[in-house]
Amino acid sequence: AQSVTQLDSHVSVSEGTPVLLRCNYSSSYSPSLFWYVQHPNKGLQLLLKYTSAATLVKGINGFEAEFKKSETSFHLTKPSAHMSDAAEYFCVVSYTGGFKTIFGAGTRLFVKA
Amino acid sequence: DVKVTQSSRYLVKRTGEKVFLECVQDMDHENMFWYRQDPGLGLRLIYFSYDVKMKEKGDIPEGYSVSREKKERFSLILESASTNQTSMYLCASIRAGGVGGTDTQYFGPGTRLTVL
Repeated sequence: AQSVTQLDSHVSVSEGTPVLLRCNYSSSYSPSLFWYVQHPNKGLQLLLKYTSAATLVKGINGFEAEFKKSETSFHLTKPSAHMSDAAEYFCVVSYTGGFKTIFGAGTRLFVKA
Repeated sequence: DVKVTQSSRYLVKRTGEKVFLECVQDMDHENMFWYRQDPGLGLRLIYFSYDVKMKEKGDIPEGYSVSREKKERFSLILESASTNQTSMYLCASIRAGGVGGTDTQYFGPGTRLTVL
């Protein structure tokens, strides 16, 4: 079955240090991959998406993700965390020909001052 | 600015009540979705609709029904609310052909439903 796994339920970093949120997906011929962010009591907002044009994808607020087909991974990174990055992050995958998207369980990011 | 709106941010209902959650999008999208969000489980698809009056069951349809009489509006109905339906409910939309591709799903702010 198609699936997506976020390897950490919680990640805690200090402000100004790098952020790494890990995501693995089950293999498919043509996955589309997304990262969404959800701030408290808000809906989900798109951070970035993989469109097969480039393996390194840049998103909003300084976030990036790299698509690695050999590792079936799509990890989210940011060089320097900001307090406003504290939120829950969801890795999402959809497959060509499929009619639904599959969400990871989410990773909650805590940023310490 | 594109928008998906949900009728209530917070809702408190009693067990056995009939509950209606409304979602409206202004992007002329064909596809609309209802998800349920619970801690540690991510988002789970309840129902989706790919056209007016058309609907398909998602992963957890039991205890829910939906209605789509107009393209812009998608309603989720809890026929007889139960305490295990206490959750955050999120509505989303995407244009036709967008699912399975690289189009973005747009989400509403969510309705936090508590069933006592």
